[in-house]
Amino acid sequence: DTAVSQTPKYLVTQMGNDKSIKCEQNLGHDTMYWYKQDSKKFLKIMFSYNNKELIINETVPNRFSPKSPDKAHLNLHINSLELGDSAVYFCASSQGPGTGVNGYTFGSGTRLTVV
Amino acid sequence: GENVEQHPSTLSVQEGDSAVIKCTYSDSASNYFPWYKQELGKRPQLIIDIRSNVGEKKDQRIAVTLNKTAKHFSLHITETQPEDSAVYFCAASRANFGNEKLTFGTGTRLTIIP
Repeated sequence: DTAVSQTPKYLVTQMGNDKSIKCEQNLGHDTMYWYKQDSKKFLKIMFSYNNKELIINETVPNRFSPKSPDKAHLNLHINSLELGDSAVYFCASSQGPGTGVNGYTFGSGTRLTVV
Repeated sequence: GENVEQHPSTLSVQEGDSAVIKCTYSDSASNYFPWYKQELGKRPQLIIDIRSNVGEKKDQRIAVTLNKTAKHFSLHITETQPEDSAVYFCAASRANFGNEKLTFGTGTRLTIIP
């Protein structure tokens, strides 16, 4: 029973298209994140939601829009895709701020290739 | 914001030898330091973590040490095995500050030579 699941696992699309990645966690965690891992393996945070509320919004182009319909789901929508958006996008969840339990559980990643 | 530097970027060790990966952080308020292992094509997985009130923590063949004064922490893997080959990431965060995020180091590709 997968703890943090992302769909799709692979996504190949043309420049200018709009696409979405979905993430769901069944751990009962309060906080969810999106991280981007580039070709050099660098992991950089994009967004964080705590109980459906946006708490971290790093310097990310506004073509990227997260949505959290409930605390178990965090989706990422990307408009007008560019070549530089090609990367692996990881969803993660954690117990949340102030709980004293800080480890992240990552999803299996979505490899986005923009052609 | 927090900045985490990690060295070396690549490391090759003979099977059975020890491997050490070092990280430094910039934010003196950071108090939570996890290490993640990422195998090829897989997700990062937490292997060990340490909090700022502890200087060392061990779990079988892996150990982490923390020097708060110098703002650096290290991962030690003893008796390395081929399955230890992976990319390892250190990270730091201000746990319990209400706006926590993990800032990751740039990763170390560890190769165990049989």
